[in-house]
Amino acid sequence: SQQGEEDPQALSIQEGENATMNCSYKTSINNLQWYRQNSGRGLVHLILIRSNEREKHSGRLRVTLDTSKKSSSLLITASRAADTASYFCATVPLYNTDKLIFGTGTRLQVFP
Amino acid sequence: GAVVSQHPSWVICKSGTSVKIECRSLDFQATTMFWYRQFPKQSLMLMATSNEGSKATYEQGVEKDKFLINHASLTLSTLTVTSAHPEDSSFYICSAEGGLNTEAFFGQGTRLTVV
Repeated sequence: SQQGEEDPQALSIQEGENATMNCSYKTSINNLQWYRQNSGRGLVHLILIRSNEREKHSGRLRVTLDTSKKSSSLLITASRAADTASYFCATVPLYNTDKLIFGTGTRLQVFP
Repeated sequence: GAVVSQHPSWVICKSGTSVKIECRSLDFQATTMFWYRQFPKQSLMLMATSNEGSKATYEQGVEKDKFLINHASLTLSTLTVTSAHPEDSSFYICSAEGGLNTEAFFGQGTRLTVV
């Protein structure tokens, strides 16, 4: 399977703490994206990082990419209860740019 | 941001019947649309990729005669689950994108329950 893996599978933290999620993938990529999904809903795009980028910020989100290790991390700083959701990384393979391959996801629970 | 509308949001059907799910890009032309299936608390599994005017490309293990995909225009793709069975009950999500290195926009998903 080409599917990537994320860890942890589940993460519970208190409001105000930082949350870090990791994503590993298997093939060379064109870009990597992070999505958020509230329970039973569609996905919302958070951030896209290209293969030649190493770090990207968007508000309280910080994404890193290490293509040598085929891994990425998503950091949410100063978490809020509203950040409670599942977070997925997704990769666009370098040699098959028609695809978007999702990781297994991390379920984040932020307690007020 | 761009909007993708997926309809219906939920459907209950009897075993043996067919169900059609629509995915529309409302304010952009989607060169490529994707259909995913998601089991509870699991990741999305890509079912097929469709480009406007051409046949869909199905992932390994996905029955193309059971999951019919039509992408007749740059703003509409449909997924028809034919002769549905209870094991087809799942959450189906479509996404659409306008080109490489652009983000994919997702529909809100369709919860299919086959009884």
